[in-house]
Amino acid sequence: GDSVTQMEGPVTLSEEAFLTINCTYTATGYPSLFWYVQYPGEGLQLLLKATKADDKGSNKGFEATYRKETTSFHLEKGSVQVSDSAVYFCALAPYGGSQGNLIFGKGTKLSVKP
Amino acid sequence: DTGVSQDPRHKITKRGQNVTFRCDPISEHNRLYWYRQTLGQGPEFLTYFQNEAQLEKSRLLSDRFSAERPKGSFSTLEIQRTEQGDSAMYLCASSLGGPLFFEEETQYFGPGTRLLVL
Repeated sequence: GDSVTQMEGPVTLSEEAFLTINCTYTATGYPSLFWYVQYPGEGLQLLLKATKADDKGSNKGFEATYRKETTSFHLEKGSVQVSDSAVYFCALAPYGGSQGNLIFGKGTKLSVKP
Repeated sequence: DTGVSQDPRHKITKRGQNVTFRCDPISEHNRLYWYRQTLGQGPEFLTYFQNEAQLEKSRLLSDRFSAERPKGSFSTLEIQRTEQGDSAMYLCASSLGGPLFFEEETQYFGPGTRLLVL
């Protein structure tokens, strides 16, 4: 079945460092891809999304490009801040499958130190 | 837009008791989802409504679990005869989707209800 694999954490970076969180997927159709973020004590928030190959999603300085050839959707940010400390989830919505329920990776915890 | 709300935020119960959670979606959203998230894991899909119709249920949703969305607005998730393995965060999400399954949609999540079964 469809699945998402993301790099295991925790990831610890210094402020202003470059961030990459790897995400790869397995899907039989043409999924939409998402990054959600969960700040401490809060619910999941949509960070960015891409709905077709080569689309780039971006928000708050974060970017991810939908790469069909490598089945990847890696999250990047050029300069992280302490406020970016959170758990990041990669997810896919299967195409033609279960009417849009999301399949999530296990999450990657990011800690940014001042 | 007040977002998705869930009640209660926390629930502690004894094994064998029944619990019920409520979710109020974003007002114009026709689709509503329930997920379960255990510690260190991503959310796992439980069930999904389009308006008042429950269209899909995961294998994770045992017979002890029942969900309703009677008027196509708020939803309730009931767990009967709770077990310690039911301890988790229960998340609700809503979205605006059309009748065609390949329409893109974005799910917006509530803050969750954390359940602890003693």
